[in-house]
Amino acid sequence: GAGVSQSPSNKVTEKGKDVELRCDPISGHTALYWYRQSLGQGLEFLIYFQGNSAPDKSGLPSDRFSAERTGGSVSTLTIQRTQQEDSAVYLCASSPVFGGTDTQYFGPGTRLTVL
Amino acid sequence: GENVEQHPSTLSVQEGDSAVIKCTYSDSASNYFPWYKQELGKRPQLIIDIRSNVGEKKDQRIAVTLNKTAKHFSLHITETQPEDSAVYFCAASRPGTYKYIFGTGTRLKVLA
Repeated sequence: GAGVSQSPSNKVTEKGKDVELRCDPISGHTALYWYRQSLGQGLEFLIYFQGNSAPDKSGLPSDRFSAERTGGSVSTLTIQRTQQEDSAVYLCASSPVFGGTDTQYFGPGTRLTVL
Repeated sequence: GENVEQHPSTLSVQEGDSAVIKCTYSDSASNYFPWYKQELGKRPQLIIDIRSNVGEKKDQRIAVTLNKTAKHFSLHITETQPEDSAVYFCAASRPGTYKYIFGTGTRLKVLA
């Protein structure tokens, strides 16, 4: 079946602009996760959703970052007033049920470049 | 806080040799340990995982071992091939949590 998809695949923006990144999880997956991966670095956890709620937003780097999920499916990650240090690949993952012991399936990522 | 250390950060092996990557976790309640492979420009993909009720799991040329007492787990790749070249990430999670704690990654290069 279809895997996790993300759009856009690449986004170039100017410093100070807002951007929206989209994630379509695997159908039926109730848990959704956002990660950030800077060049050559590991995976930094940002936020997760169980259904439409986000119980823990502590991984978000600043209040310029926000995320929402509607209908228990699609999620958007919004970065306001982008800064150059926001440049990274933003990865989304989903898993069938809530809980850290279930496999997370990753999307291809959105490469964000802030000029 | 919870932490996963991964070593080495880079590893070069000759084609046909074995490669071993090691991870150590801090949270003794962790009970699920996946390994992901990420090729350049691609998404991380699960290659093998192990749960804390077993000590070893094997899938063709790939195996993972877990030592709960020492809180470490390792990825073993035998008969390496050029297509094994990638970055490998380990992770750990505990029951009832929502996120993986990832290691910092190992860049494996298999030299033909």
